[in-house]
Amino acid sequence: AQSVAQPEDQVNVAEGNPLTVKCTYSVSGNPYLFWYVQYPNRGLQFLLKYITGDNLVKGSYGFEAEFNKSQTSFHLKKPSALVSDSALYFCAVSSPQAGTALIFGKGTTLSVSS
Amino acid sequence: EAQVTQNPRYLITVTGKKLTVTCSQNMNHEYMSWYRQDPGLGLRQIYYSMNVEVTDKGDVPEGYKVSRKEKRNFPLILESPSPNQTSLYFCASSSRTGVGLDTEAFFGQGTRLTVV
Repeated sequence: AQSVAQPEDQVNVAEGNPLTVKCTYSVSGNPYLFWYVQYPNRGLQFLLKYITGDNLVKGSYGFEAEFNKSQTSFHLKKPSALVSDSALYFCAVSSPQAGTALIFGKGTTLSVSS
Repeated sequence: EAQVTQNPRYLITVTGKKLTVTCSQNMNHEYMSWYRQDPGLGLRQIYYSMNVEVTDKGDVPEGYKVSRKEKRNFPLILESPSPNQTSLYFCASSSRTGVGLDTEAFFGQGTRLTVV
């Protein structure tokens, strides 16, 4: 069965510092990996995805993520955090071999202080 | 504008009174899904549909029904709601290539349901 783990419920970082939000996954076959962001009282918005190719993918708002197959990880990163990045972040996985659905982690709250 | 529309946005109902939350997308997406979001539990999948007339159970299907008679619509039905179904519900849609979901999913704005 597919699963996603986000080991940190909350990540706190000062504005201007780099940030990392962690994600590990378990899936049979090749993973399709995604990051979404949710602002208060809003639906989820797509940030970036890894399907194949370069392990480092770049997405919206300056975010990037690195796919590491050996560690089954897909950590979200940003070189310099903004207060406006404060939100709830979700990692998600699907797999063509599993042929099923899009599964989400529990989410990590990112808090960026000024 | 590409969008997923859920209605209603807010709903308070009583235990046992059947209700339907509608979901419609205008992007001709094959894949549609319902999730519930609860504090500390993230998004848990209720049901999903890979195409018209094809639906499958997700992780938490008990107490819910769905149908996919048209590509654009995927209503969520609670035949006899109970207080433990109080939650924030999201509908999502995505296109597919082959059997993989390799494109971004679009989400509705959410439906906050309270069952008393």
